[in-house]
Amino acid sequence: GENVEQHPSTLSVQEGDSAVIKCTYSDSASNYFPWYKQELGKGPQLIIDIRSNVGEKKDQRIAVTLNKTAKHFSLHITETQPEDSAVYFCAASIEGDYGQNFVFGPGTRLSVLP
Amino acid sequence: DTGVSQNPRHKITKRGQNVTFRCDPISEHNRLYWYRQTLGQGPEFLTYFQNEAQLEKSRLLSDRFSAERPKGSFSTLEIQRTEQGDSAMYLCASSPASEQYFGPGTRLTVT
Repeated sequence: GENVEQHPSTLSVQEGDSAVIKCTYSDSASNYFPWYKQELGKGPQLIIDIRSNVGEKKDQRIAVTLNKTAKHFSLHITETQPEDSAVYFCAASIEGDYGQNFVFGPGTRLSVLP
Repeated sequence: DTGVSQNPRHKITKRGQNVTFRCDPISEHNRLYWYRQTLGQGPEFLTYFQNEAQLEKSRLLSDRFSAERPKGSFSTLEIQRTEQGDSAMYLCASSPASEQYFGPGTRLTVT
């Protein structure tokens, strides 16, 4: 089955700097890769996603890149702000007509220092 | 607020008791997922519904766990004969396709 690894487990950056979180997956059939942000006491919130037919996607300060050959994808946050502090999870799944089994990474705790 | 609600938000129970959690998804979403999340870990898939049909169950879902989604609307997750290892956050997510919208979760503590 699918296995998703995520690094680093913790990341501290100064406000205004960039943050990069990397994930690798094992199942070459996976074709949908979402990223979630989870704040304390809340459920994960989808922040960006990418499909395997695209190499990069950007939404304001957030971007995701995907390397299908190497089976890894990364989250890039630029101009970090204190409110970006949270736990970030990557996930991998295979899209299909009858739903999909999402496998999540173990998470990265991001701290943005003012 | 994603529009997905879960009740109760917290549940403390004694070992051996049964508990039931409820998830109300976004009304037009036909897909509904249940996950379990323990401290410091990512969510682990438990089961998935498309409308009222339960299409997939994880091996994590022992015989003590059962989930339903009558009429393809709200869903319930029941744990029978709770064990201390069941203590976790139980998350529900609804989805129109691939994008998942999570509820706030139900935190279960088994004493």
